[in-house]
Amino acid sequence: EVHLVESGGGVERPGGSLRLSCEASGFSFDDFDMNWVRQVPGKGLEWVLGINWNGDKIGYADSVKGRFTISRDNAKNRLYLQMNSLRAEDTALYYCARGMYMDVWGKGATVAVSS
Amino acid sequence: DIQMTQSPSSLSASVGDRVTITCRASQDIYNYLAWFQQKPGKAPKSLIYAASSLQSGVPSKFSGSGSETDFTLTISSLQPEDFATYYCQQYDNYPYTFGQGTKLEIK
Repeated sequence: EVHLVESGGGVERPGGSLRLSCEASGFSFDDFDMNWVRQVPGKGLEWVLGINWNGDKIGYADSVKGRFTISRDNAKNRLYLQMNSLRAEDTALYYCARGMYMDVWGKGATVAVSS
Repeated sequence: DIQMTQSPSSLSASVGDRVTITCRASQDIYNYLAWFQQKPGKAPKSLIYAASSLQSGVPSKFSGSGSETDFTLTISSLQPEDFATYYCQQYDNYPYTFGQGTKLEIK
């Protein structure tokens, strides 16, 4: 069965850093682009970053450019989100999602940025 | 960046009704358009990709149409489990973007 499981969320102070991980199983991870999408509770979905199958094409939302990076380790079937210079407005539930049209989603990891 | 505008933002309907949600892109995205359903406390669920292709396991009461800049999601014969929030998303170019969502409520 196809699964995505996010981990690494938590509480961090403004200006701090966190690293999220997404473990994929049940499919050939290196056949797919991958994405990070976030959602503030009660609000809509915001696409944050995407990466192609081998990591040589990456896209960013303006809201995170220069602060967040996406990477992947195909040998480990893992997707990563490195979040630096965190702000209060980065507080959200972060999902990883498979493919350009995001046919599979994890359950999400909560990130809270607060002093 | 490509802006995605959904309408309406909210919609009240009754069980058995047929409803249509529209999504407009700020530029031509061909058919690189997906639709999602999200229920409270749950991750989004993929319904449709390539504007009109139904994801595996999604009932045929859901249908999508459109191309270039104008797209629709139609849900026929509404059932209680269909009341949720629906989002469109373009994947023509980075940065990908979502519509603001349409909350479908029971009348």
